[in-house]
Amino acid sequence: GAGVSQSPSNKVTEKGKDVELRCDPISGHTALYWYRQRLGQGLEFLIYFQGNSAPDKSGLPSDRFSAERTGGSVSTLTIQRTQQEDSAVYLCASSPSVTRVGELFFGEGSRLTVL
Amino acid sequence: DQQVKQNSPSLSVQEGRISILNCDYTNSMFDYFLWYKKYPAEGPTFLISISSIKDKNEDGRFTVFLNKSAKHLSLHIVPSQPGDSAVYFCAASSNRDDKIIFGKGTRLHILP
Repeated sequence: GAGVSQSPSNKVTEKGKDVELRCDPISGHTALYWYRQRLGQGLEFLIYFQGNSAPDKSGLPSDRFSAERTGGSVSTLTIQRTQQEDSAVYLCASSPSVTRVGELFFGEGSRLTVL
Repeated sequence: DQQVKQNSPSLSVQEGRISILNCDYTNSMFDYFLWYKKYPAEGPTFLISISSIKDKNEDGRFTVFLNKSAKHLSLHIVPSQPGDSAVYFCAASSNRDDKIIFGKGTRLHILP
């Protein structure tokens, strides 16, 4: 597709279950970002990748959160033992820039609801 | 620690008038600033950016002003149109890494 694709678009899960969110960036984009937006809040930085490596994981809220990127393309964000406070829209974005990130292209997000 | 601050959660402006959205930052290492627009149930879309070597960048109805000494930037939309009603996010990055930090956003309502 032409844009950033995220799946699932909507996920309802029970507290304590693991969830995996997927992001397909725009082809050829080297940088990939994950953000979280809780209800009524701004965009909270989680992690970014340059290629397959993640130089900065400081935004991950806890060790229940992990992310990986393979082949310089698809990324997955995994949340283990979900808690109600994990409920949010998880947004993925990619950028074509190698040396200096400019404009980000966002997907529509994955809305996670933890009951 | 909020490095990018948008202190106005919402703003209402009459159609045809100027909308001014403000943003403050605390990190003096930030040297590249961006504005994004977000409609409900959609991802944010890039609007306009400015490098710290400039103090103004204009693109059609949108102009961003940067005051480095005050660590303040603003987005001007003139004239405001109904389709401008959205949430606007200010974002910033430094040349030390590619981490892009967003503010909490300002919801703009354009009144008929």
